[in-house]
Parts: sequence; structure tokens; C-alpha cells
Amino acid sequence: AQKITQTQPGMFVQEKEAVTLDCTYDTSDPSYGLFWYKQPSSGEMIFLIYQGSYDQQNATEGRYSLNFQKARKSANLVISASQLGDSAMYFCAMRDNNNAGNMLTFGGGTRLMVKP
Amino acid sequence: EADIYQTPRYLVIGTGKKITLECSQTMGHDKMYWYQQDPGMELHLIHYSYGVNSTEKGDLSSESTVSRIRTEHFPLTLESARPSHTSQYLCASAARRPYRDTQYFGPGTRLTVL
Repeated sequence: AQKITQTQPGMFVQEKEAVTLDCTYDTSDPSYGLFWYKQPSSGEMIFLIYQGSYDQQNATEGRYSLNFQKARKSANLVISASQLGDSAMYFCAMRDNNNAGNMLTFGGGTRLMVKP
Repeated sequence: EADIYQTPRYLVIGTGKKITLECSQTMGHDKMYWYQQDPGMELHLIHYSYGVNSTEKGDLSSESTVSRIRTEHFPLTLESARPSHTSQYLCASAARRPYRDTQYFGPGTRLTVL
């Protein structure tokens, strides 16, 4: 069974500083994908970044980067130059590629609060 | 990216009423999903669909039902709403791309059953 663990229920970061949100996962499948989503207080889920288990390089999307350490089964999200609009819940999710329905398993989330 | 629409955004309704939450996407995605999420908590999959006339139950048991008569439309129905159904319901869709299959979400429906 797959499992996603986000150990930080809440975090503060000063505006313009970088912050790392932790995510560890557990799966026995060699082929899988890892996703990060942002959920503002309005409720929608916004896709941020994707990392495939066979990708050689860490994924980057603008100010978001994924610190993928396969041997440690971790996929931490790094947000550089934090902005007030980054305040939100952040969810890590995993999908194993043998799953015909391509369902996602979500972690419990981390609430990030950016201080001015 | 997908354009996913959900209506209503907010719904307050009395116990025992029948409700249908609408979800539509305009990108022709084959796969669609319904998640239930309590405030500040993780998402739980309650239904999914591979395509037209295909529906499956997710990991979380739910008294709701779904249908998929058209590719773009995936409504969720509660025959008799109860206070325990109070939650946020999120719809998502995904296209088949090799090793990617990113799920894109709608804005959600916040349901309150009194």
C-alpha cells in the first residue's frame, strides 16, 4: 500500500526567504509519480510540480523546485523567495504507474504562513 | 491545462434532501475523479471514472453515487443528505500522457447539511 507523510502540520516563513516543505513516501512500485498541490483558503487545488521516479533531474517550475531523494524516499518542495500569496495548504501526492485508474494518494498537508 | 467547473460553489441544505453536485470539463479528459475533504485535512477519493459508462468506488466509502453519460460531465448525487455529508467535494480530471497524468481540479463545492 502507498503512503504519503507530511510531518509539518504548520510552518512560518518570512517574506522573500526560501522554505522547504517535507514529504516522504512509501511504495513498493518502481514506477511512480510525485505531485505537489497548493490549496488556498478559497478551496481549489492548484497543481504546482511533478517528479517522475525515473527522472534524472529534480523538477523545477519557476519558484518551485522539488528536492527528490529516491533512496530516502523523500520529495521535498522548495519555494524560493516566498510571497504573501504563497500562504496556503500544500499537499504532496503520489501515483503509482501500475495503477490503471491513476489514482492519487495524498498526504495530510502542511499549512504555510508567510509573514510580511 | 484543464478547465474544470463545479456548481454550486456553496450549498446549504436540510437533512433528507436529494442533491446533485455538478462537474464538467472541457478538455476531453477520459479520467475523472471525486474527492471528499474535511477542512484542513487530506483528500479522500470517493469515486472515479475511466470514461463514458465507467464508474468505480474509491478508497473512502460514500453514500453518494455518480454517473458518466458524457465525457465532459461527471455529476455526484446524494439521495438523502445528512449532516455527516457536510464537507468539501472536489472534482478532478486527467488526460492520458505517458507517465504524467496530472490531475487538474475544479474549484470545489462546500456542502453544509443542517
